[in-house]
Amino acid sequence: DAGITQSPRHKVTETGTPVTLRCHQTENHRYMYWYRQDPGHGLRLIHYSYGVKDTDKGEVSDGYSVSRSKTEDFLLTLESATSSQTSVYFCAISSTLGQGAIVQETQYFGPGTRLLVL
Amino acid sequence: RKEVEQDPGPFNVPEGATVAFNCTYSNSASQSFFWYRQDCRKEPKLLMSVYSSGNEDGRFTAQLNRASQYISLLIRDSKLSDSATYLCVVNRRERAGGSYIPTFGRGTSLIVHP
Repeated sequence: DAGITQSPRHKVTETGTPVTLRCHQTENHRYMYWYRQDPGHGLRLIHYSYGVKDTDKGEVSDGYSVSRSKTEDFLLTLESATSSQTSVYFCAISSTLGQGAIVQETQYFGPGTRLLVL
Repeated sequence: RKEVEQDPGPFNVPEGATVAFNCTYSNSASQSFFWYRQDCRKEPKLLMSVYSSGNEDGRFTAQLNRASQYISLLIRDSKLSDSATYLCVVNRRERAGGSYIPTFGRGTSLIVHP
């Protein structure tokens, strides 16, 4: 358990409304990520953060913005939701795995948010 | 060509069978490799890392072939509880000292039946 929570867990909204999803972590991880997962596409990176106020775009960033004002919180905003943004959204943190000569960074995921845009 | 490719399956096998999944990646600068497991309507969870020397965790064996740019996962003595989707993940650094950027395969579905 990497101490990651997401809120809300489920949301139904209408096209054109703003939506903000929150990811909260309790273990002071530097790197945080937002993904969406859709049938036939798998997990796709939306945005990621490498520190407070440091963010960068991923593969599918159009229509999304993010903010990270505190280490523990990473917010994903859909400024004007569209039906194509109906998806399951996962937040993740990056943590090191292993020791000695073999140390790798890997990701641990939150439970996900199911978003339906009507 | 997608950066990380997997056969979506489903692989439908009886309990006790041995099953193998492969995953190919296109970016030779990829640096670390993993298998994740995802149950229906749940988040992906790390199953195991993949090393060139191969690594084993109980019934699971993972192998990396850098020359051919593929990774594999072997499951021996399949259990009903192994039914899930298995995701191949390839990491690379965007820049020196920067964050690892993972790319996920679309997953391979495994169904183990009695």
